[in-house]
Amino acid sequence: QSALTQPASVAGSPGQSITISCTGTSSDIGNYNLVSWYQQYPGKAPKLMIFEVTKRPSGVSNRFSGSKSGNTASLTISGLQADDEADYYCCSYAGTTIHVVFGGGTKLTVL
Amino acid sequence: EVRLVETGGGLVQPGGSLRLSCAASGFPFSDYWMSWVRQAPGKGLEWVANIKQDETEQYYGGSVKGRFTISRDNAKNSLYLHMNSLRVEDTAVYYCATTGAVRFDSWGQGILVTVSS
Repeated sequence: QSALTQPASVAGSPGQSITISCTGTSSDIGNYNLVSWYQQYPGKAPKLMIFEVTKRPSGVSNRFSGSKSGNTASLTISGLQADDEADYYCCSYAGTTIHVVFGGGTKLTVL
Repeated sequence: EVRLVETGGGLVQPGGSLRLSCAASGFPFSDYWMSWVRQAPGKGLEWVANIKQDETEQYYGGSVKGRFTISRDNAKNSLYLHMNSLRVEDTAVYYCATTGAVRFDSWGQGILVTVSS
């Protein structure tokens, strides 16, 4: 069982927007602005899409955005495209004992 | 261009040991925290360990603490993961990654470790 909770799957049609939630606790997401999101295609390494809740690395499309409210972080993908179909993982700092926690991952299907 | 190449994986019996290596190039290795992250077959990502630039700090995930040791050689631009007392549940693809403020910026292609009798 993962420390952060994500929906197992989400789906959307091309052009639509979808949001993936990531729920933690006051010991991780709720206490630190150190949430990151990763995109992973089957058989490939993950790719950083969002860091520090809302920031995008250079080269990542502005269709990807992040936010946080309380103990829940969210990744929103607007203008869905076929190649957005992948697994998405959230990650958060969790303090000096546990350090880093991941979500269980969400499979995004573009219909 | 950042390049990270993991080697050293393979099949090992339960209770055995293995050392993974990660060769880094294309960036100033000694300036970066580095991490290992793993992914069991069909499962999600799990943080394993990370290490500060000068090796003065290392941190471990709860499932590997006391069994795994992360180290680095800045002169060789290399990161290592020494794995002892391996268990079946350590079977996974192991990735090395450059590490910012609790984020994993660049990843290697991963290396498979299989623990089985």
